[in-house]
Amino acid sequence: GAGVSQSPSNKVTEKGKDVELRCDPISGHTALYWYRQSLGQGLEFLIYFQGNSAPDKSGLPSDRFSAERTGGSVSTLTIQRTQQEDSAVYLCASSWSGGVTDTQYFGPGTRLTVL
Amino acid sequence: SQQGEEDPQALSIQEGENATMNCSYKTSINNLQWYRQNSGRGLVHLILIRSNEREKHSGRLRVTLDTSKKSSSLLITASRAADTASYFCAQAGNNRKLIWGLGTSLAVNP
Repeated sequence: GAGVSQSPSNKVTEKGKDVELRCDPISGHTALYWYRQSLGQGLEFLIYFQGNSAPDKSGLPSDRFSAERTGGSVSTLTIQRTQQEDSAVYLCASSWSGGVTDTQYFGPGTRLTVL
Repeated sequence: SQQGEEDPQALSIQEGENATMNCSYKTSINNLQWYRQNSGRGLVHLILIRSNEREKHSGRLRVTLDTSKKSSSLLITASRAADTASYFCAQAGNNRKLIWGLGTSLAVNP
């Protein structure tokens, strides 16, 4: 496709369950970012992948959060033992090379609701 | 917190009027970027201004940057109903992580 895609678009889960969120970046983009946006807030950086380099995980809020990027393309963000405070929109973005002046292209997001 | 601030938090104007949004940041930057977010098109990059630039234009958008005051402004001229959205500034240092403001919610009334 032409843009970044994310699935599912909506996810409702019960507290304590694990969830997986998927991101398909734009073909050819080597950099991939995950952000979290809580209601009425700006974006909070979670994790950044660039090519084959070790990911920058400095934004992950706890060890319940993890992410991987397979084959330099698709990425999965996993949240284990979900808590109500994990409820947010999770946004994925990709950019051509991860350069500081690169435009980041965003997916539509996954709205996660933890009951 | 390194998070920037934007003001106003909300702005309501009539079609045809100009809208000005301001962003302040706390750390040194490589560049500052403005994004628009609405329910229809998600989060979209609008314009990037580098730290050595003072003003930049793109269509009806004008962005200024004052690094001495650590502030930026976004001006939308001749606003349209389709400009209704939330506008975010994001500061880019040299570590590839964008630090985002809380956004300005703009309503353009027909």
